[in-house]
Amino acid sequence: DSGVTQTPKHLITATGQRVTLRCSPRSGDLSVYWYQQSLDQGLQFLIQYYNGEERAKGNILERFSAQQFPDLHSELNLSSLELGDSALYFCASSVARLAGINEQFFGPGTRLTVL
Amino acid sequence: GIQVEQSPPDLILQEGANSTLRCNFSDSVNNLQWFHQNPWGQLINLFYIPSGTKQNGRLSATTVATERYSLLYISSSQTTDSGVYFCAVWNQGGKLIFGQGTELSVKP
Repeated sequence: DSGVTQTPKHLITATGQRVTLRCSPRSGDLSVYWYQQSLDQGLQFLIQYYNGEERAKGNILERFSAQQFPDLHSELNLSSLELGDSALYFCASSVARLAGINEQFFGPGTRLTVL
Repeated sequence: GIQVEQSPPDLILQEGANSTLRCNFSDSVNNLQWFHQNPWGQLINLFYIPSGTKQNGRLSATTVATERYSLLYISSSQTTDSGVYFCAVWNQGGKLIFGQGTELSVKP
């Protein structure tokens, strides 16, 4: 158990809908990262937050957004869902502001299926 | 951007065999991690290894940052070692970049 929690574990929804994925980092970790794992794209970095502020952006679509709350949990919002958004979404956390300084620990993931 | 290449892409072993997985990266990196993704999809941290050698039980890893590669050694493999092994590096922008993985299958 990494100490990072994600809910829900599985999510099945229809095209055009909107969903919210939730992540709680390890105790003491200030940085939260979101990743998408799909069969064709592999594991891709989406976005990073540090202590409530966005710090780095990767290949995140405009239909996706995220935020980190004062209690440090984070939510990833996916809207106008398409079939191609079906994937495993991971959250990770680390202590430091810069991802290169500390090890990242991953949650169990949320498997999203868009029908 | 930085490229991360892992080899081999697939590996089939008999239980008890040893193996070496390789990770090459195209540019200077701040750090490197190895992960095991088990058949249930969980990403498990194996090593956080910017340079040098580390060992944990039957697994060990070596990173030679100046030559831009890292190796993961698995000795006396077990069926529970099956899954996908990922190498991931941080680029200068602080983003974690993953390789495509090595899929390992250990047969009893």
